[in-house]
Amino acid sequence: DIVMTQSPDSLAVSLGERATINCKSSQSVLYSSNNKNYLAWYQQKPGQPPKLLIYWASTRESGVPDRFSGSGSGTDFTLTISSLQAEDVAVYYCQQYYTTPLTFGPGTQVHIK
Amino acid sequence: EVQLLDSGGGLVQPGESLRLSCAASGFTFSSYAMNWVRQAPGKGLEWVSGISGSGGITYYADSVKGRFTISRDNSKNTLYLQLGSLTAEDTAVYYCAKGDYGDYSWFDPWGQGTLVTVSS
Repeated sequence: DIVMTQSPDSLAVSLGERATINCKSSQSVLYSSNNKNYLAWYQQKPGQPPKLLIYWASTRESGVPDRFSGSGSGTDFTLTISSLQAEDVAVYYCQQYYTTPLTFGPGTQVHIK
Repeated sequence: EVQLLDSGGGLVQPGESLRLSCAASGFTFSSYAMNWVRQAPGKGLEWVSGISGSGGITYYADSVKGRFTISRDNSKNTLYLQLGSLTAEDTAVYYCAKGDYGDYSWFDPWGQGTLVTVSS
């Protein structure tokens, strides 16, 4: 199984400041035949289902604010919120879809400092 | 608008069975793989099972293999998850989720979730 890890577990950021979340996979999720990274990011607010933010490691889902961006390749990935807003308080998860079982990272809680 | 409506959760005793349903609308259901993902109280996300658009290929997490069965009725635009031999460790909110890219995919959107509680 591909094990996903995230750091930090929790992050406190001032409004308007940058938040950076890291995700690491135990093996590469870069598929060589199409040069795509099979990595997605989700946001989950309390009492709600997760919401897709990013797929292919860096493609923003339609309607997602451009302050959210994804980067990385192979085994190391980053979700960046360029200017934290109050509505961004949530838990963020990465997920690999390179192979089954499809696996998620443990989540990173983002708070306001 | 794409919508997924999960239902069927409830309180069951250890060892019992339950069937979850997910009614889909707003897209060509048979063209997309579908999945179930669960979240134990206060915990993270765990993929449980997936099924191809035709229903001919199914996938399971090791934790549920042999106990849960995923299926779909494309004529009714409905996804199912039959849960069996339930234990307390299966207590969770179960979400259905649409796969956007083949059988191995990101999930978008998600249903609102249905709570399964296994307790005596």
